[in-house]
Amino acid sequence: DVQLVESGGGSVQPGGSLRLSCAASGFTFSLYEMNWVRQAPGKGLEWISYISASGDVIEYAASVKGRFTISRDSATGSLFLQMSSLRAEDTAVYFCAREGNDVQDGFDFWGQGTLVTVSS
Amino acid sequence: SYELTQPPSLSVSPGQTASIACSGDGLESKYTYWYQQKAGQSPVMVINKDTKRPSGIPDRFSATNSGNTATLTISGTQTLDEADYYCQAWDSKTAWVFGGGTKLTVL
Repeated sequence: DVQLVESGGGSVQPGGSLRLSCAASGFTFSLYEMNWVRQAPGKGLEWISYISASGDVIEYAASVKGRFTISRDSATGSLFLQMSSLRAEDTAVYFCAREGNDVQDGFDFWGQGTLVTVSS
Repeated sequence: SYELTQPPSLSVSPGQTASIACSGDGLESKYTYWYQQKAGQSPVMVINKDTKRPSGIPDRFSATNSGNTATLTISGTQTLDEADYYCQAWDSKTAWVFGGGTKLTVL
């Protein structure tokens, strides 16, 4: 079965850093495009970053560009999000999500999410 | 930046048809995707590429995309369909975009 398991969330002070991980299993990770999506408490979904299957194409939402870095390790089947210069408005549940393997497929599998709280 | 607009809420009675709209400039020229998120759970895709239902999604879920508006339709709505629903599209300048979400209440 396809599984995506996020980890690395927690509490951090404004200006701090945190690294999220997403462990993928049950599929050939190196063939799939991946994304990070977040959801602030009581709010809607916000896409924040995309990485191609090979890792050579990366996109960021304007709200995190320059502060967050997405990466992947196909050897271990892991997706990462390095977050720095964190702000209170980055407080959210962070989900990793897989795009389907057909061209222009949507997000067919999601992890359970990991909570990041930015507060002094 | 590209934006998708959804009504914040919709209320229907069990057995009725629920229609959730999602509007965006030139949306017809893009694929639209729909996700269901029940309270405390991760989102689940219910419609892929405008009209395609993923495996396991009941056939009471359907969708259209025409002009500037995509519409998710739930026929014979059941209480277990109560959830937040999000539309999504890809824009060449903004990348992935989600609508603000629609809270569907079934009572």
